[in-house]
Amino acid sequence: SQQGEEDPQALSIQEGENATMNCSYKTSINNLQWYRQNSGRGLVHLILIRSNEREKHSGRLRVTLDTSKKSSSLLITASRAADTASYFCATKPTSTLTFGKGTMLLVSP
Amino acid sequence: EAGVTQFPSHSVIEKGQTVTLRCDPISGHDNLYWYRRVMGKEIKFLLHFVKESKQDESGMPNNRFLAERTGGTYSTLKVQPAELEDSGVYFCASSHGLTSSSYEQYFGPGTRLTVT
Repeated sequence: SQQGEEDPQALSIQEGENATMNCSYKTSINNLQWYRQNSGRGLVHLILIRSNEREKHSGRLRVTLDTSKKSSSLLITASRAADTASYFCATKPTSTLTFGKGTMLLVSP
Repeated sequence: EAGVTQFPSHSVIEKGQTVTLRCDPISGHDNLYWYRRVMGKEIKFLLHFVKESKQDESGMPNNRFLAERTGGTYSTLKVQPAELEDSGVYFCASSHGLTSSSYEQYFGPGTRLTVT
């Protein structure tokens, strides 16, 4: 069974709006990571949040982590058309990353 | 510094044929990983090399898949014979070491495999 599970599966917004994606996981973690995949390209590491952190910022990205609920959220503020991509959360219950199915974000101009 | 590269970017083959995917990790990275994303499903781990040794191959779906990393540099993933359900995007990633600080895996662009 998958470790990370994102919701929504798809999200469509207008440029300038904020986008929020959620991720739930099952086992205990040391950290949780978010990745982005643009169409036809590889996975790009966005941000890592450790289990003892509750919130982390990086540019227009804001990630929260609630270990009691085993959930995380990724907020993209002031979205741009270039943010259109699939976003995945990933955890590392063993030595390798375990990904969810991803949220497909479409930002329309 | 060059990133992780994969070749080919896209491969279309017929069922029963053989395909070999190649991954060149970032120079100096001991760890090399293969992942696969089948259409509409999550990205799944296939296997993990540390240098030339297979550290974990628990994700390999069956014996039609063979991964090698001769000399601990580039890696190949061979699918023989290919089946329709093997279609998907195959990602390779590398990371520097096994210490707790080496969280980040750097991913390649992926190889899109289409089996018809």
